[in-house]
Amino acid sequence: AQSVTQLDSQVPVFEEAPVELRCNYSSSVSVYLFWYVQYPNQGLQLLLKYLSGSTLVESINGFEAEFNKSQTSFHLRKPSVHISDTAEYFCAVSLNQGGKLIFGQGTELSVKP
Amino acid sequence: ETGVTQSPTHLIKTRGQQVTLRCSSQSGHNTVSWYQQALGQGPQFIFQYYREEENGRGNFPPRFSGLQFPNYSSELNVNALELDDSALYLCASSGPGQGNDEQYFGPGTRLTVT
Repeated sequence: AQSVTQLDSQVPVFEEAPVELRCNYSSSVSVYLFWYVQYPNQGLQLLLKYLSGSTLVESINGFEAEFNKSQTSFHLRKPSVHISDTAEYFCAVSLNQGGKLIFGQGTELSVKP
Repeated sequence: ETGVTQSPTHLIKTRGQQVTLRCSSQSGHNTVSWYQQALGQGPQFIFQYYREEENGRGNFPPRFSGLQFPNYSSELNVNALELDDSALYLCASSGPGQGNDEQYFGPGTRLTVT
């Protein structure tokens, strides 16, 4: 069975500061890794994903995540956050891209001016 | 191209009642997955439908049932509602391959059970 742990339930940061949202997973087999973002009163949007290849993956809005197999981690980072990045972020794993997603508990990112 | 849509947006039901939630998949998608997101929690997988057949189920009781139609839209039915069923219900569609395509989520249906 797979599981996902997001180590921080809330992360408050000031605008233009760097941020890291931590995600660890447990699985006895290879998995695909995802970060989703959920803005208030909305559904989930895929931010980025790791399927294979380069362990560093990037999104179009400046976020990046690095797959670390030895530490079973997939932390999300952004060097400079904006007010508009305020949202809930979910880390998830799956055995295949279109299959059952197993989510962490979520991290609430709050960016303050 | 129309994205994933869900209806209704919100609804309130009484304990013991039955509810039906609906999901229209994105054009070209033949797989629909349903998730339950309780307040302050991550989404939990309920089940998935591929080409009108159930294709995997999470740890939910049989009173949670589903259906997928020939146009690949889907319904989630919950019988004998309990207070703990209050949650945001999300559907996601993917395809046309089985299990190898990105999932796209709808905006969700907020169910409140009183």
